[in-house]
Amino acid sequence: ETGVTQSPTHLIKTRGQQVTLRCSSQSGHNTVSWYQQALGQGPQFIFQYYREEENGRGNFPPRFSGLQFPNYSSELNVNALELDDSALYLCASSPRQGSNTGELFFGEGSRLTVL
Amino acid sequence: GESVGLHLPTLSVQEGDNSIINCAYSNSASDYFIWYKQESGKGPQFIIDIRSNMDKRQGQRVTVLLNKTVKHLSLQIAATQPGDSAVYFCAEKWGGSQGNLIFGKGTKLSVKP
Repeated sequence: ETGVTQSPTHLIKTRGQQVTLRCSSQSGHNTVSWYQQALGQGPQFIFQYYREEENGRGNFPPRFSGLQFPNYSSELNVNALELDDSALYLCASSPRQGSNTGELFFGEGSRLTVL
Repeated sequence: GESVGLHLPTLSVQEGDNSIINCAYSNSASDYFIWYKQESGKGPQFIIDIRSNMDKRQGQRVTVLLNKTVKHLSLQIAATQPGDSAVYFCAEKWGGSQGNLIFGKGTKLSVKP
């Protein structure tokens, strides 16, 4: 069974640029969530995708957007990067929408540095 | 100046001792409470969860206690091992969106050999 994989693992961008982060969900999982984790903080929910549609969003501006593909993989796009966007971006998958527990399967994250 | 967020609460224990990590939660409507472990350079890893209508749940070497009266959650780790060294986060789930968890700030557990 393949776990959640994310790419790239590290990247550096400058203010105003755009970035795309990618995630392949765990085999058999059709729901993908994205989280932002600033240094020394807990992860913060950005949004969730199910059946290729956004299904739940946290307190993030519209310049944070995403996609989910038919194979359940997902992308996180961030436009007009700001210094405060520097963080670890985590992707998490889960077996199905509506499952009752809070068990998510996280990837190892993409570390974004904005200069 | 210092950033408050960079200073995690820290718990240091001797190998073989029991560890107790505490967490206060905010939302009475949360239906699940979950503990995650995050090792350096890795994503969070699920440890155990508890439904809001329970007050205790046991796993392998771990026990989670839920006190809804004071909105308090704890994780007990028996016979703590060096491999348990990590940051531990409590999280709440509420609403129908499975992936929407609210994480606490985390506690860093250090195990001394």
